Amino acid sequence: GNSVTQMEGPVTLSEEAFLTINCTYTATGYPSLFWYVQYPGEGLQLLLKATKADDKGSNKGFEATYRKETTSFHLEKGSVQVSDSAVYFCALPYFALSGGGADGLTFGKGTHLIIQP
Amino acid sequence: DTGVSQDPRHKITKRGQNVTFRCDPISEHNRLYWYRQTLGQGPEFLTYFQNEAQLEKSRLLSDRFSAERPKGSFSTLEIQRTEQGDSAMYLCASSLAPDTQYFGPGTRLTVL
Repeated sequence: GNSVTQMEGPVTLSEEAFLTINCTYTATGYPSLFWYVQYPGEGLQLLLKATKADDKGSNKGFEATYRKETTSFHLEKGSVQVSDSAVYFCALPYFALSGGGADGLTFGKGTHLIIQP
Repeated sequence: DTGVSQDPRHKITKRGQNVTFRCDPISEHNRLYWYRQTLGQGPEFLTYFQNEAQLEKSRLLSDRFSAERPKGSFSTLEIQRTEQGDSAMYLCASSLAPDTQYFGPGTRLTVL
């Protein structure tokens, strides 16, 4: 089935530092890829997505490029802020037991990002 | 758009008791999902509805778990004969299209 591996945290950076959170995946075919974020005390929300190889998803200064050669979807941001402190999850479609399309998601374990002023 | 709501937000129960959680999706969303999240892990897919039809269940959804979505609106997740291993955050999400899911705040279950 589909699976995703992301770097473990916590990741602690100073404000304005460059951020990379690694994510690699195993999947059948070329599924859409997602990054979700969970801010303290809030529910999960979609940060960005890419639907095909070489696509770049972007939002709120974050970017991730769908690399099929390396089966990766690393999250990057050029200059992090304290408000970016959150848990970040890489995700891809769930592999259905039925063998058909499935609308659920498979998530990585999450990476806790801490930004210090 | 009032977002996805879940009730209750917290539930403490004794082992062996039955519990039921409710999820109210965003009103026009026809897809509804249940996930379970334990500490330090990402959400794990449990089941998925399109309108009132339950289209997929994961292996995690044992016989003690049942989910319904009558009339394609709200959904309930029932756990019978709870076990300590059922302690987790239960998340509900809804969507119009499969690639953008909107998550609720979750129900935290503690089984004593």
